[in-house]
Amino acid sequence: EVQLVESGGGLVQPGGSLRLSCAASGFTFSDYWMHWVRQAPGKGLVWVARIYSDGSSTIYADSVKGRFTISRDNAKNTLYLQMNSLRAEDTAVYYCARDSHYRQDLWGQGTLVTVSS
Amino acid sequence: QSALTQPASVSGSPGQSITISCTGTSSDVGGNYYVSWYQQHPGKAPKLIIYDVSNRPSGVSNRFSGSKSGNTASLTISGLQAEDEADYYCSSYTSSSTWVFGGGTKLTVL
Repeated sequence: EVQLVESGGGLVQPGGSLRLSCAASGFTFSDYWMHWVRQAPGKGLVWVARIYSDGSSTIYADSVKGRFTISRDNAKNTLYLQMNSLRAEDTAVYYCARDSHYRQDLWGQGTLVTVSS
Repeated sequence: QSALTQPASVSGSPGQSITISCTGTSSDVGGNYYVSWYQQHPGKAPKLIIYDVSNRPSGVSNRFSGSKSGNTASLTISGLQAEDEADYYCSSYTSSSTWVFGGGTKLTVL
């Protein structure tokens, strides 16, 4: 089955760090760009970051630039999001999504990150 | 990058048609054809329903259609059904090589 499964979410204090993972299966992970997209409780979707298929290029939303790092391990079919200096406004469900020619055509079920003391 | 502008809510009766607008700028919606639409039911992940302004992925009903004029894209749902009740988001690739989503539109089927 073609799917993406996120993990690693949880409760973290402001200023803390967390690493999210996204396990891909059912397709050739190394052929695709990948994204992270987040959704605060009761709010809309917000694009966070994109990485090329070989990991050679990354780009971020201004709101997370310098604090978050997107990476991937194609040998493990896994996408990551390292989140540092977390703020209350980073509280959201984080989705990983596969890119197919500038559209996100496959989404995971999401993992909830809560930043609170 | 500011979010694309969508109406907060729209509604329609079963069998009717509705249209959701998505307004951006020449740096996003008006500057390329990489406009997508997503459907999201409560507690679920988004699902791609329109890509490249007006194309439907395999398996998506032909009741969903998309178009674009200038800086505004539109999603039309014809023959409304109860299962269409959901949140809808537009998205566009931008001239900064990033992506931007709309604020979302809640569709209520009366």
